[in-house]
Amino acid sequence: AQSVTQPDIHITVSEGASLELRCNYSYGATPYLFWYVQSPGQGLQLLLKYFSGDTLVQGIKGFEAEFKRSQSSFNLRKPSVHWSDAAEYFCAVGAYGGSTLGRLYFGRGTQLTVWP
Amino acid sequence: DVKVTQSSRYLVKRTGEKVFLECVQDMDHENMFWYRQDPGLGLRLIYFSYDVKMKEKGDIPEGYSVSREKKERFSLILESASTNQTSMYLCASSLQGAINTDTQYFGPGTRLTVL
Repeated sequence: AQSVTQPDIHITVSEGASLELRCNYSYGATPYLFWYVQSPGQGLQLLLKYFSGDTLVQGIKGFEAEFKRSQSSFNLRKPSVHWSDAAEYFCAVGAYGGSTLGRLYFGRGTQLTVWP
Repeated sequence: DVKVTQSSRYLVKRTGEKVFLECVQDMDHENMFWYRQDPGLGLRLIYFSYDVKMKEKGDIPEGYSVSREKKERFSLILESASTNQTSMYLCASSLQGAINTDTQYFGPGTRLTVL
C-alpha cells in the first residue's frame, strides 16, 4: 500500500538558515510526488511536483526537492529561509489505477517555525 | 488559475444536526475530494469522486456521505453531526486522464465545530 512518512513533526530554524524537510514514501511503482504548504487558516498550496525526468525539481518561493529512488525519499530544501516560510508542509505520493484513480496519500505534515 | 471554493470558512452546529459542506471548482475538473484535517494526523481522505454521480470511499467514510449531481460541485454531508466530527474540512479537485492527473487544487477549508 502507498504511504508517506514525514519523520519530523516540528522543525525550528533561524531566518536566513538553510532548511531541509524529510519525506520518505512507500510505493510499488514509479511514484508521482508532491510538496504542499499550508499557511495558518488556509488551504494547501502546491510548492512543487515530480512526475519524471530530472530528479531535482524546482518549485515556487525558492524551494526545491530531490527525488532519490534508492532511498525512497523526496526531501524539500531551501537555501535561506524567510520568516514568511513559517507554515505546515505536507509531502504526498500519487496512486493510479482502478478505484484509486487520481488519489494522493499525504504524510502527517511538518510544522516549520522560523525565528527572527 | 484554478479556483476551489467552499461555502463556509467557519461553521458551528449542534450534535445531531444534518450538516452540508459545499465545494465548487471552476476548472472543469473530473476528480473531486473531501479530506478532514486534524492536528498530528495530517489529511485523511473521506470520499472522492471521479465523475458526476460517482463516488468512492476513502479511508474514513463512516458518518459521512457525499453528493455529486453536477461536475463542478461536490457536497459532503454529515447525516447526524457528532462532537468527534469537529475538524477542518478541505475540498480538492484535479484533472483526469493527463500527465498532470494528480495535481490537486485545494479550497480554503471549512472549520466545523460540533457542540
